[in-house]
Amino acid sequence: EIVMTQSPATLSVSPGERATLSCRASQSVSGNLAWYQQKPGQAPRLLIYGASTRATGIPARFSGSGSGTEFTLTINSLQSEDFAVYYCHQYNDWPPWTFGQGTKVDIK
Amino acid sequence: QAQMVESGGGLVQAGGSLRLSCEASGFTFSDYYMSWIRQAPGKGLEWISYMSGRSDYSKYADSVKGRFTISRDNGQNSVHLQMTNLRADDTAVYYCARVEGFCSGGSCYPDSWGQGTLVTVSS
Repeated sequence: EIVMTQSPATLSVSPGERATLSCRASQSVSGNLAWYQQKPGQAPRLLIYGASTRATGIPARFSGSGSGTEFTLTINSLQSEDFAVYYCHQYNDWPPWTFGQGTKVDIK
Repeated sequence: QAQMVESGGGLVQAGGSLRLSCEASGFTFSDYYMSWIRQAPGKGLEWISYMSGRSDYSKYADSVKGRFTISRDNGQNSVHLQMTNLRADDTAVYYCARVEGFCSGGSCYPDSWGQGTLVTVSS
């Protein structure tokens, strides 16, 4: 089973600033990585798939990069609606699909 | 767009059973794998099971294998999760999700999720 490790656990950012979230896989997942955003009481929402492709309707301020074992989600010019928990997910080697433990982005 | 609505959650005693349902709309249901993913209170996401569009392929997480069964009814655009021998650590919100991509080729992921249904197992 591939273990996904996200860092940091919590990221405090001021509105308008950039947030950089990291995700590391215990072995290569090639480019088969997705990012999800989850707000309190809501279901996860797909942001990025294929490591760098934005899902339909996702603003351009969200971008993903990386391959193999190291991945990054960057959120430029954070908006109030971007404060949430973000999960990475590998779908290269399954079953099982595995998720990171999440990074909470909160207001500084 | 794709929509999923889960139902069937509730409070059940340890050792009991529950059947979750998910009704889908907005897409050709039989063309897609469907999956169940859960989230324990205050915790992260855990994949539980998925099933192919024609019901000829399914897999389970080790944590539920032998206790949970996934099924689907393409005529009713629905997918179900029969849960038996429930334990306290099965307490979670259970999400139904559509799976996008080419699962047969080894690359697919959940793209649209329902709002979830809460299952609470009392010990």
